[in-house]
Amino acid sequence: DQQVKQNSPSLSVQEGRISILNCDYTNSMFDYFLWYKKYPAEGPTFLISISSIKDKNEDGRFTVFLNKSAKHLSLHIVPSQPGDSAVYFCAARPPNFGNEKLTFGTGTRLTIIP
Amino acid sequence: GAVVSQHPSWVICKSGTSVKIECRSLDFQATTMFWYRQFPKQSLMLMATSNEGSKATYEQGVEKDKFLINHASLTLSTLTVTSAHPEDSSFYICSARVPDSRINSPLHFGNGTRLTVT
Repeated sequence: DQQVKQNSPSLSVQEGRISILNCDYTNSMFDYFLWYKKYPAEGPTFLISISSIKDKNEDGRFTVFLNKSAKHLSLHIVPSQPGDSAVYFCAARPPNFGNEKLTFGTGTRLTIIP
Repeated sequence: GAVVSQHPSWVICKSGTSVKIECRSLDFQATTMFWYRQFPKQSLMLMATSNEGSKATYEQGVEKDKFLINHASLTLSTLTVTSAHPEDSSFYICSARVPDSRINSPLHFGNGTRLTVT
């Protein structure tokens, strides 16, 4: 049972435009959500996170939105840059657990077209 | 920032042999490291928690006798896939958290090891 789903395996966006990556989850106990970015032959690196008490968190070009009622979160990147081309994983965990207990999605490969 | 190094980055072995994968924290001491596995088109799944100086904790469904974990020092954890079979072919990745960091502190991942068993 895939508790964290990223239904789009790939996404292509023109440089300078907004990239929107989506993620859905089924476990209502999840209360902390993260996005990781992964380049080929490298491990995932942390990008941005959000707690369930918030509905938005912004860090520079990256904004994560959380819709708890819909069990949906999204990552917005604006403006998109060629260096943003990577695989993006969303992840979630229940309360009182460390991030080692994250449940990951299957990833979305983002390609920024120059 | 904190760096986790994993070696080798890829390995091909014959069925029935054992393979050892190393995970090192380069600029910090990690009393706890984590091992994950990712099959094609599936998500990253936690296999086990490696504890320095004590036994590893395995997730449900992970065979501890098949995936031997040793955390002999504060900067090194090893995962040995014993008697590997083709179904063990996967992407294995380790991670660690900087000590004394908050529960929400992100993990630092190694670059992963692509294991192919022929």
